[in-house]
Amino acid sequence: NAGVMQNPRHLVRRRGQEARLRCSPMKGHSHVYWYRQLPEEGLKFMVYLQKENIIDESGMPKERFSAEFPKEGPSILRIQQVVRGDSAAYFCASSPVKGTGVRTEFFGPGTRLTVL
Amino acid sequence: EDQVTQSPEALRLQEGESSSLNCSYTVSGLRGLFWYRQDPGKGPEFLFTLYSAGEEKEKERLKATLTKKESFLHITAPKPEDSATYLCAVQGDDYGQNFVFGPGTRLSVLP
Repeated sequence: NAGVMQNPRHLVRRRGQEARLRCSPMKGHSHVYWYRQLPEEGLKFMVYLQKENIIDESGMPKERFSAEFPKEGPSILRIQQVVRGDSAAYFCASSPVKGTGVRTEFFGPGTRLTVL
Repeated sequence: EDQVTQSPEALRLQEGESSSLNCSYTVSGLRGLFWYRQDPGKGPEFLFTLYSAGEEKEKERLKATLTKKESFLHITAPKPEDSATYLCAVQGDDYGQNFVFGPGTRLSVLP
């Protein structure tokens, strides 16, 4: 009865490198959400995906950030040319219900990205 | 724009000292209000969903209530293991129906 899985749990990158964060939703869940939590700040919505579709990316920075949820495999949040300001905890959540209905989101343990 | 505030920012209680955390929200058409618990270095853990004013839910020492403008998380006779950050989130009709989280209340329960 595995919950939402994220890896890696900790990721260190130098400025200019790429960061790839992976998320496997709970069994039976086909909706994935990515959030960012900056130190001393609340969780901020980034993107909502279903299999092979980006439903809402209104919270994603316009540049360097992208997300995908392929038919097979985990969801990927990709950050290109990382900068120090990208250092944060990135959380993935999943839900079993359609995004237009009331849903409960279950969170993974997060990936803590540190940019040197 | 949907907004969520939480108070107090931090709360220290003695073991057994009951108290309440507040979550105030402004949302167009509330679909659901959610409480989560977050331990340091971990992801948020789901506690409750409330759908309409007047609704209450309980789990062990926690009880969540909802009005049209705010929600309270009541903690009865807390124990040190209740120490965590408690997050409130709302899902409304606007903002793409995505969750909007409050900044959280950091609770410390001293033995």
